[in-house]
This record gives sequence, C-alpha cells and structure tokens, in this order.
Amino acid sequence: GEDVEQSLFLSVREGDSSVINCTYTDSSSTYLYWYKQEPGAGLQLLTYIFSNMDMKQDQRLTVLLNKKDKHLSLRIADTQTGDSAIYFCAEIPMDTGRRALTFGSGTRLQVQP
Amino acid sequence: GAVVSQHPSWVICKSGTSVKIECRSLDFQATTMFWYRQFPKQSLMLMATSNEGSKATYEQGVEKDKFLINHASLTLSTLTVTSAHPEDSSFYICSAWTSDSNQPQHFGDGTRLSIL
Repeated sequence: GEDVEQSLFLSVREGDSSVINCTYTDSSSTYLYWYKQEPGAGLQLLTYIFSNMDMKQDQRLTVLLNKKDKHLSLRIADTQTGDSAIYFCAEIPMDTGRRALTFGSGTRLQVQP
Repeated sequence: GAVVSQHPSWVICKSGTSVKIECRSLDFQATTMFWYRQFPKQSLMLMATSNEGSKATYEQGVEKDKFLINHASLTLSTLTVTSAHPEDSSFYICSAWTSDSNQPQHFGDGTRLSIL
C-alpha cells in the first residue's frame, strides 16, 4: 500500500539548519520529491531525488535518501523566516500505473527570528 | 510565471449552490490533470484524475455526482461541486501532469471554497 509519513511540526531559529524527515512504504518509486506550501497557496516543487542516488545538494537544500530504511530527509541550511511553510514529501508509486503523486502528511516549519 | 492557472482563488456561497472551479494549463497541453482536496492542517488527498476526452477516474469515497469533472480540451479541466454544503468547504488544488519526471506536475494556486 501507499503510506508516506512525516513529523507534523518543527521549530528552529533563524540561521540554524532544519531537517525534515519522511518515511515511505512503496519501494517502487523512481523519484521522490519535496514540495513547499505557503499559507493559502499551491505547491512549489523544491527538489527531487532519483531513487538510485543517496544524496543531492541544491544550494541550501540537501536531500538524503536511505532506500534500505525507506527514509528521506530534507535539510535546509541557514534557515530563514521566509522558509516558514509546510513541507511535503511525495512519491509516484510506479507499480500502480498511476501518475498521481502520493503526499506525506506535511511538516509545518516555523522559523523564529 | 504560473503555468497552471486556477480560478477562482476564493469563493463564498450559500448552501445548495453549485460552484465551478477551472484549471488551465497556460503554455503546455495537459492530457491529464488532477484534483486534490486539502482540509486545514492536513495533506493533499487525491480526489480524481481528469483525462482529456474521457471520463474522470475518481478515488474511492469520492462521489462522482457530487464532484463533476470535465476535461473537454487539452488546456482546461473543470471541477463542479454540485449542491454544495458546509462540509464541502475546503481548499481544492488542481495540477497538470507534464510527463517530465523531474517536474511531474505543475500546481494551481488553489481555490478556497467556503459554504455558508
């Protein structure tokens, strides 16, 4: 079945690093994604990682993937107040034949000045 | 700039009214669009997959007669909430499939529906 789980809330101080964690159950996903949602808005794709990679870095963002444990994380370096938002990990399970994304429960990141 | 336009962004109406939400792909053709529903402080739940020129595929538990989907062209899908009631109040988000695995879907900015 498809099940993607995240911790609900994370609070950090401005300038610190944030680490948002995600666990998933479907190992057939070729790509895993991180989306950002600001209040009252749609979703913005932040980054993605191909399933045969362990790590991907994109400016302040670092994605780590542990396929054995089905664990995905997003690290935001030098977190800013503008990073305050909800972050969703997502996958497209390949063995279902569907194109729709399956989203995690979302982690609300609060950055304190 | 935005590649998927969703309209309206916010609608308030009385119970019993039908409400239509439009989702347009602006600079590409979208053979497949998706409709999601998001309750406050919750994740996005897929309601249905909209395929151009054919019937939509609804997820389990979503009423087809309640949430009418039409995808008559390669750039437009509409979701009509028929005879809306307060429990239908939610944030509805559409997306368009791109066939690009690096960026699988472009999302609209969502529609906040409030039924009084």
